[in-house]
Amino acid sequence: EIVMTQSPATLSVSPGERATLSCRASQSVSSNLAWYQQKPGQAPRLLIFGASTRATGIPARFSGSGSGTEFTLTISSLQSEDFAVYYCQQYNNWSTFGQGTKLEIK
Amino acid sequence: QLQLQESGPGLVKPSETLSLTCTVSGGSISSSSYFWGWIRQSPGKGLEWIGSISYSGSTHYNPSLKSRVTTSVDASKTQFSLKLSSVTAADTAVYYCARLLGIRSFFDYWGQGTLVTVSS
Repeated sequence: EIVMTQSPATLSVSPGERATLSCRASQSVSSNLAWYQQKPGQAPRLLIFGASTRATGIPARFSGSGSGTEFTLTISSLQSEDFAVYYCQQYNNWSTFGQGTKLEIK
Repeated sequence: QLQLQESGPGLVKPSETLSLTCTVSGGSISSSSYFWGWIRQSPGKGLEWIGSISYSGSTHYNPSLKSRVTTSVDASKTQFSLKLSSVTAADTAVYYCARLLGIRSFFDYWGQGTLVTVSS
């Protein structure tokens, strides 16, 4: 099983600033990596797939990068609605998720 | 707009079988382009993929759950279903149904989720 490790567990950032979230795979997943946003009481929402392709309707302030084992989700200028939990998912070898990064208001 | 909705009992007794159904609306369940999946989320284990099924019935399961999982599709009702046998308290979680763009893929549409508690 491919283990996905996200860091940090919690990230405190002020609105308008940039947030950088990391995801590491225990072995290469190529570019088969997705990012999701989850707010309390809601299902995860697809943000990024293929490591760097934004899903339909996702604002341009969300960007993904990386390949192999190291991936990054960047939110360029945080809006109030962006404070949530973010998960990465690899789908190169079946499917596994990271444990999440909670993005909170500083 | 594609919508998915989970339904089923919110309480299941230990050792019994958990059964959930996902109803798909606003789109076809019969396309060969998609798979339909189940994911669960618990405080202890986070998000965990359970399994996926195509409209033709091709199934793929998480190896850690494979011995207890069965999925099926009823295209005439635009529904797909999950059965998880011999449940324990560790199976208590929010269960989501979702759509995948292929056998190994990300999940682009999700249901709202349903909490299933395993308790006597």
